[in-house]
Amino acid sequence: DAGITQSPRHKVTETGTPVTLRCHQTENHRYMYWYRQDPGHGLRLIHYSYGVKDTDKGEVSDGYSVSRSKTEDFLLTLESATSSQTSVYFCAISESGVHEQYFGPGTRLTVT
Amino acid sequence: DAKTTQPPSMDCAEGRAANLPCNHSTISGNEYVYWYRQIHSQGPQYIIHGLKNNETNEMASLIITEDRKSSTLILPHATLRDTAVYYCIVRVAPFTSGGGADGLTFGKGTHLIIQP
Repeated sequence: DAGITQSPRHKVTETGTPVTLRCHQTENHRYMYWYRQDPGHGLRLIHYSYGVKDTDKGEVSDGYSVSRSKTEDFLLTLESATSSQTSVYFCAISESGVHEQYFGPGTRLTVT
Repeated sequence: DAKTTQPPSMDCAEGRAANLPCNHSTISGNEYVYWYRQIHSQGPQYIIHGLKNNETNEMASLIITEDRKSSTLILPHATLRDTAVYYCIVRVAPFTSGGGADGLTFGKGTHLIIQP
């Protein structure tokens, strides 16, 4: 399995608080992605990174920001969490960004 | 990206080959076929991809029809651990046709249940 960890694995937070999720990889892959997965919506891309300090928006980026200061870490921040951001968040990595993406175990976030 | 159609669920006996179909009748010439699966409560797992030719790796085989309008994922000797939702995705490979990196979009997939 690709060396991808996500932290925390579970989090409950209150509406209006900032939350940061971390994705850490040991594969030295250039591309990293943040997705959310919700029943009825499938998997949706939030943001992705194509190198250190290089990021771009995905399909559902409103309310989220990302940072990548090192190859191995990609952080997702919910600036002011809302109940609509309750979801399972997956990080993925890709060496070339062309074909295979390898996913982390996910973070289950509940916003009350 | 072209739309795909998969049966919502399938059963297969343990030890037998599992054949999962996918219809993608509107596929374009530069679109690849990808298969991922997701075991309950885990992250999605890449299985295989192909453009025109049949492909095989240590996990599965991918058979694409000559007109590319459908494909079949074959798990040669299914085990209980292969019970999962299987997603067929059709997309243009990133960085081709003038585009950049992009993400995957999963539909509803096929829930494959391996029976003991």
